[in-house]
Amino acid sequence: QVQLVESGGGLVKPGGSLRLSCAASGFTFSDSYMSWIRQAPGKGLEWVAYISSTSSYTNYADSVKGRFTISRDNAEKSLFLQMNSLRAEDTAVYYCVRYDRIYGMDVWGQGTTVTVSS
Amino acid sequence: SYVLTQPPSVSVAPGQTARITCGGNNIGSKSVHWYQQKPGQAPVLVVYNDRDRPSGIPERFSGSNSGNTATLIITRVEGGDEADYYCQVWDSSSDDGVFGGGTKLSVL
Repeated sequence: QVQLVESGGGLVKPGGSLRLSCAASGFTFSDSYMSWIRQAPGKGLEWVAYISSTSSYTNYADSVKGRFTISRDNAEKSLFLQMNSLRAEDTAVYYCVRYDRIYGMDVWGQGTTVTVSS
Repeated sequence: SYVLTQPPSVSVAPGQTARITCGGNNIGSKSVHWYQQKPGQAPVLVVYNDRDRPSGIPERFSGSNSGNTATLIITRVEGGDEADYYCQVWDSSSDDGVFGGGTKLSVL
C-alpha cells in the first residue's frame, strides 16, 4: 500500500544537528514532488521545504532557510532532511508528505518527533 | 508572504452543516486544499483543488472558492467529524506552501 515512514527524530541540544529520513513505498517515488511539514506542540501545521521529482528544484520556509537541507535518493525511494544549527523553536513533529500543487498533499507519514533542548 | 486566515473554532450540532472559511487575498485564483487532523494522528486530505474529494472521503465533504474566501462545507455533521481543519495553498510568487492557522470543529 501507499506508505511513507519517517525515522531519525530524537532529542538534540541547541546548535546540534539531526538527519531525518523517509522511506516511500507503494507509488512511483521518482515521479513525485515531496515536502516536509512540521507541527510544534499544540500548534498548527507549518510547511518546511519541498523538492522536485528530479531534485532540480528546492525551496525552504524562511524559518529554516540556510540551516536545513532537503534531498532525495530516487533509487532508494528515500527523502531526507538535514537539520543543522537547531533551535528550541524547531521542536516539532516532522511529517514527510507527497504533494502536488493541484492534487494537494495526499500521502502523509506518521511523523517523527524532534526535540531541541539542553 | 501570503497569509491564510481561519476562525479558531466552529461549533455545529449533529446533522447540521458546518462551514469553515479560509480567507486570503484573491484566494479564488489559487487551488485550495483542506486537511482534517484528529488528536494524535497525521493530517488527512479531505478536499483538493477547491472542491474535489480524494477516494474514500465521504460526499458530505465539499468546498468552494471565490474572491477572497474559500470554504470547506461538511453536511450532515457527525461526532466523528470533530477535528482540526487546515486550509492550504501554494504561493507561486514565493514558491512556498502556506497553511491557515487551523479551525477546531466541535460537534455539540
